[in-house]
Amino acid sequence: AQTVTQSQPEMSVQEAETVTLSCTYDTSESNYYLFWYKQPPSRQMILVIRQEAYKQQNATENRFSVNFQKAAKSFSLKISDSQLGDTAMYFCALGGSNYKLTFGKGTLLTVNP
Amino acid sequence: GAVVSQHPSWVICKSGTSVKIECRSLDFQATTMFWYRQFPKQSLMLMATSNEGSKATYEQGVEKDKFLINHASLTLSTLTVTSAHPEDSSFYICSARGGAQNTEAFFGQGTRLTVV
Repeated sequence: AQTVTQSQPEMSVQEAETVTLSCTYDTSESNYYLFWYKQPPSRQMILVIRQEAYKQQNATENRFSVNFQKAAKSFSLKISDSQLGDTAMYFCALGGSNYKLTFGKGTLLTVNP
Repeated sequence: GAVVSQHPSWVICKSGTSVKIECRSLDFQATTMFWYRQFPKQSLMLMATSNEGSKATYEQGVEKDKFLINHASLTLSTLTVTSAHPEDSSFYICSARGGAQNTEAFFGQGTRLTVV
């Protein structure tokens, strides 16, 4: 069975500052994928960033980057230069060979002006 | 990225009636579609996986007779909530996988179902 744990139900950050969201996971598969999704109030799921487990290099997408620690089964998301539009629910997700996604419980991020 | 369209965005139905939700992949062929349910302020829970032309695979605890899933074509999957009751009220989201980006699933905008 796959599990994803997000230990921070809520976080807040000041505009322009940096924030890190935590995620740990567990899986018995050797080939898997990790994702961070953003769900704004519209509830549309938006892919923020993805990481293939076989890649050692941490994924980066503009202001978003991850710290992927495979041995520790940790996959944190760093948001730099936080913007008001970053306010949303963030879900960490794990996908395996069957492409099913297992989601964490989410972290509600609020960016304050 | 690829586009997945879900319809309707919201629906209100009377208790005991059935309601159908459509999930379409607009610019790619979806070999697999997934249906999720999300309660307020909670995470997404996978209900079932459907592959085109075959029966859906339901997750443990999901009633297959209540939540009918059909994936008749490579661009369309439907979820029918049969004999709906107030406890079926929820947010339902589909995602689709296929095309060039096989490892990534693209999400529809979700359907808010309210049963009165």
